[in-house]
Amino acid sequence: EVQLVESGGGLAQPGRSLRLSCAASGFAFDDYAMHWVRQGPGKGLEWVSGITWESGSIAYADSVKGRFTISRDNAKNSLYLEMNSLRNEDTALYYCTKEMDAYTLGAAFDIWGQGTAVTVSS
Amino acid sequence: SYVLTQPPSVSVAPGETARITCEGKNIGTKSVHWFQQRPGQAPILVIHYDRDRPSGIPERLSGSNSGNTATLTISRVEAGDEADYYCQVWDSDVGVFGGGTKLAVL
Repeated sequence: EVQLVESGGGLAQPGRSLRLSCAASGFAFDDYAMHWVRQGPGKGLEWVSGITWESGSIAYADSVKGRFTISRDNAKNSLYLEMNSLRNEDTALYYCTKEMDAYTLGAAFDIWGQGTAVTVSS
Repeated sequence: SYVLTQPPSVSVAPGETARITCEGKNIGTKSVHWFQQRPGQAPILVIHYDRDRPSGIPERLSGSNSGNTATLTISRVEAGDEADYYCQVWDSDVGVFGGGTKLAVL
């Protein structure tokens, strides 16, 4: 079964850091670009960051550029999001998601995890 | 930055046809993907590359894209179609989502 399981969410004070992880299983993780998408309370979906299968290309939304870092470890079938200088507006459910086509960047997201909740508050 | 505009809500009676639009400048030159999200659940892909359905998605759901508007059409609407729907495109390797449309089945 193809599965993505996020972890690492929690409560953090403004200005502090959190590291999210996403464990992948059931597919050839190192063949696919991966992304983080977030959803604030009662809000819509917001793309956060993406990374190609070999980490050769990385992109960020303007709202997180310079504060968040995406990375992956293909040997561990894992995706990460290092979040620094957290702000109240980063409060959201963070989803890990997989592109549907191998060796591309910019395909549709065909598999989503259930998300991990991040709350930024003093 | 690229902007996608969706109507906040669409209402339709069971058995009727719902059309959810997604407007963006020259969106017809981009590939549009559509996601359905039911309350408390993760999104699921329902249309990719403008008009293709993933396996398991009923034929009642279809997509089109031309000019400045992409459209998700749901025929013979059922109560189970009630959900939020989001369109999504790529703009210079940056992902962009529309604001979402709540489909209400009357």
